[in-house]
Amino acid sequence: KQEVTQIPAALSVPEGENLVLNCSFTDSAIYNLQWFRQDPGKGLTSLLLIQSSQREQTSGRLNASLDKSSGRSTLYIAASQPGDSATYLCAVRFYSGGSNYKLTFGKGTLLTVNP
Amino acid sequence: KAGVTQTPRYLIKTRGQQVTLSCSPISGHRSVSWYQQTPGQGLQFLFEYFSETQRNKGNFPGRFSGRQFSNSRSEMNVSTLELGDSALYLCASSGGDSYNSPLHFGNGTRLTVT
Repeated sequence: KQEVTQIPAALSVPEGENLVLNCSFTDSAIYNLQWFRQDPGKGLTSLLLIQSSQREQTSGRLNASLDKSSGRSTLYIAASQPGDSATYLCAVRFYSGGSNYKLTFGKGTLLTVNP
Repeated sequence: KAGVTQTPRYLIKTRGQQVTLSCSPISGHRSVSWYQQTPGQGLQFLFEYFSETQRNKGNFPGRFSGRQFSNSRSEMNVSTLELGDSALYLCASSGGDSYNSPLHFGNGTRLTVT
């Protein structure tokens, strides 16, 4: 079964701290992996998209890595700020047959950055 | 550029009724996908359309259906509503004809079934 797991479910850190969010997946036949953030009552905002052939992607204070062989991805947030407080979701596009790939989400990590 | 627009924002329905939700993708995007989000199950994929054709389908009963129009706007329909259908329904669009482009989500439709 193709599954995505995110640990921890919740994380609370003081402002300024560097932190790492973890995502693991069960099948290495993936097309890509995407990290999102979701603010309460809102839709998802795409943060980083890593293709299966890539090892990492960077955007500002965010860096995402991908290790397909071990089924892991990490999202590194540098110098965290209170505005980073949100739920962070990892989504993996698994092969679903033919030429199609289906998106499976983890349950997310609720991040709180305290001033 | 306008984002993904979902209407209505909130809906309250009674068990046994049916409901139709609407999604307008970002201009130029031809791929639209739908997701159900609940506290217990998290985000689950419903279906995906590209150029009016269903490209992928999740593991939901046949009461859940969707379609995409020639202008890329999409609708999803849930018939014979059950209490467990209460959820946030999210729509996303992406550009290009492959899976290489990031998804852009709307703010969702909150459906409450009583």
